[in-house]
This record gives sequence, structure tokens and C-alpha cells, in this order.
Amino acid sequence: GEDVEQSLFLSVREGDSSVINCTYTDSSSTYLYWYKQEPGAGLQLLTYIFSNMDMKQDQRLTVLLNKKDKHLSLRIADTQTGDSAIYFCAESIADSNYQLIWGAGTKLIIKP
Amino acid sequence: DAGITQSPRHKVTETGTPVTLRCHQTENHRYMYWYRQDPGHGLRLIHYSYGVKDTDKGEVSDGYSVSRSKTEDFLLTLESATSSQTSVYFCAISETGLLGAFFGQGTRLTVV
Repeated sequence: GEDVEQSLFLSVREGDSSVINCTYTDSSSTYLYWYKQEPGAGLQLLTYIFSNMDMKQDQRLTVLLNKKDKHLSLRIADTQTGDSAIYFCAESIADSNYQLIWGAGTKLIIKP
Repeated sequence: DAGITQSPRHKVTETGTPVTLRCHQTENHRYMYWYRQDPGHGLRLIHYSYGVKDTDKGEVSDGYSVSRSKTEDFLLTLESATSSQTSVYFCAISETGLLGAFFGQGTRLTVV
């Protein structure tokens, strides 16, 4: 069945780059997404990548997709305290009416 | 921010009572979703809708029903609330079902 896995925590120093990783299992995924959730708030769509792309860059965010290994990563350059949040990876499955399959989320902790 | 409003934002209810949560959108998006979020589980899809009166079950639909009589409103009903349904409930909307979804602020439901 479909599964999306992420590490539960990542700790980085302010100013360093953060790399949040995600693996997925379904080869029929079409789009892959990164969402951000701050405490007490809903989820905010950060970026998405189509499954036939390798990389997408948007300001401080870089998404890398290795389709062969079913591995997705989100790199945040120059990590700031405002980046402290939970980051969710999700994939949409063409065979399931494009339902989203979610990872459990990675909590990004920023050290001063 | 996408125009999506959930009500109520917080609710405490007793076991065995019916509860209805409302999601209202002003974006005219076709797709609407109800998720629940619990620690360690990420987001789990309860039900979704792909048009007026068109709904389908998600992975955790038991004990829940939905209705969508208008494009802008998607109601989630807990037919007889149980303590296991204590959770944070999120509504999301999407124009195409593919290019990401926009989330409401969530409803924190406590069943005592």
C-alpha cells in the first residue's frame, strides 16, 4: 500500500541549511508536496513538484526528487527562527482519484 | 490566504451526541476535504468531495458522514461522538485536486 515516511525531528543552527527528507512508496504518484504547519495553525502549502521533474527552486526553498529511489527532500537555505514548524511531505496518487497520502511530519527545531 | 472558514473552532461534547462541523469556502473550488490530525499520525483523510453531492470515503470514514449541498459548504457529522474522535479536524479545498490544497485553521474537538 501507499506509505510516506519522514523523520520526526530535525535540529539545525540558525543560519545553516536544513534538509528535510521524505520517502514514498507509490510509483504512480503525480505530484509531491511540502506543507508547513506552525503551532495552532492549519497547513500552508510551501511548494510542489511534478513527478517528472528533478528539482524545483523557489527563493530559499529547493526541492529535490529522486524518482528512482522514491526520495524527496526539502532544503531550506539560511534557516531562520521563523522556519521553526512541522513540515509535511505528501504525494497525490493518480490511481486513487488524486487523494493525498501524508507523512507524519518533521518537526524542525532551530538552535540559536 | 484562501477564503476558507471552519466553524466552530473549538467544541467540547459528550459521548454519544451528534456533532456537525462546517467548512465554508469563498473560492469556488471543486474539491473539499475533511482530515483529522492526531499526534504521531500526520493527517488522515476522512471524506472528500469532488463536486456538489459528490462525496467519497477516505481512510478513516467510520463514524463520520458528510454532505455537500452547495459548492461553498462541506459539512462533517459525527453521528454519535466517541472519545476516539477527539482530534483536530481540518478542512481543505483544492481547485483541481492536483496543485495542492489550502487548509482551514482547524477545529479542536474534545469528546468527554
